[in-house]
Amino acid sequence: KNEVEQSPQNLTAQEGEFITINCSYSVGISALHWLQQHPGGGIVSLFMLSSGKKKHGRLIATINIQEKHSSLHITASHPRDSAVYICAVFGNRDDKIIFGKGTRLHILP
Amino acid sequence: KAGVTQTPRYLIKTRGQQVTLSCSPISGHRSVSWYQQTPGQGLQFLFEYFSETQRNKGNFPGRFSGRQFSNSRSEMNVSTLELGDSALYLCASSPTARTYLYNEQFFGPGTRLTVL
Repeated sequence: KNEVEQSPQNLTAQEGEFITINCSYSVGISALHWLQQHPGGGIVSLFMLSSGKKKHGRLIATINIQEKHSSLHITASHPRDSAVYICAVFGNRDDKIIFGKGTRLHILP
Repeated sequence: KAGVTQTPRYLIKTRGQQVTLSCSPISGHRSVSWYQQTPGQGLQFLFEYFSETQRNKGNFPGRFSGRQFSNSRSEMNVSTLELGDSALYLCASSPTARTYLYNEQFFGPGTRLTVL
């Protein structure tokens, strides 16, 4: 079992829909990051979380440390949100950095 | 401010050769991290350099090495290339070390390495 699991692996939705991407992890962590990767490879760091909730524009990220779970929400989704979203955790015992396999999101106009 | 730059962007090598990739961080950033991305394994952490010192290392064989210069530019080297080393190699910079605890990282566009 992977130490960081993302679901769903693939998601296709209509423009305007509310999107939720989940990340579960099995190790103790100091921080969790959400990354966005567009076709062509460029990666953008969206959020760094160690507790609670953060919001940036239409994106909201939450983390529940006790349940070892984080979610990334996109409100009023748009075709330009189409990308791969990757969850990454920073282990608190050995400074290990572990990535999820990513969620491929496709928003249809 | 200029972003993170990586050179070359594309590279083709043959098995057994070695390769050196370069990463120039954002001005003022002192931490550079390297990552390998493959379709099968996804993103994996290679190593992090801060102030010319390796601060953290992932689970890669010794064929993968790196260094950082006094101007914070970093290079990674892969010796005795194998077919499985074909990947997108990304570097990221941030102002401080142990970047995942404190900061977002700024990623470069990557170098796509193909090993034939």
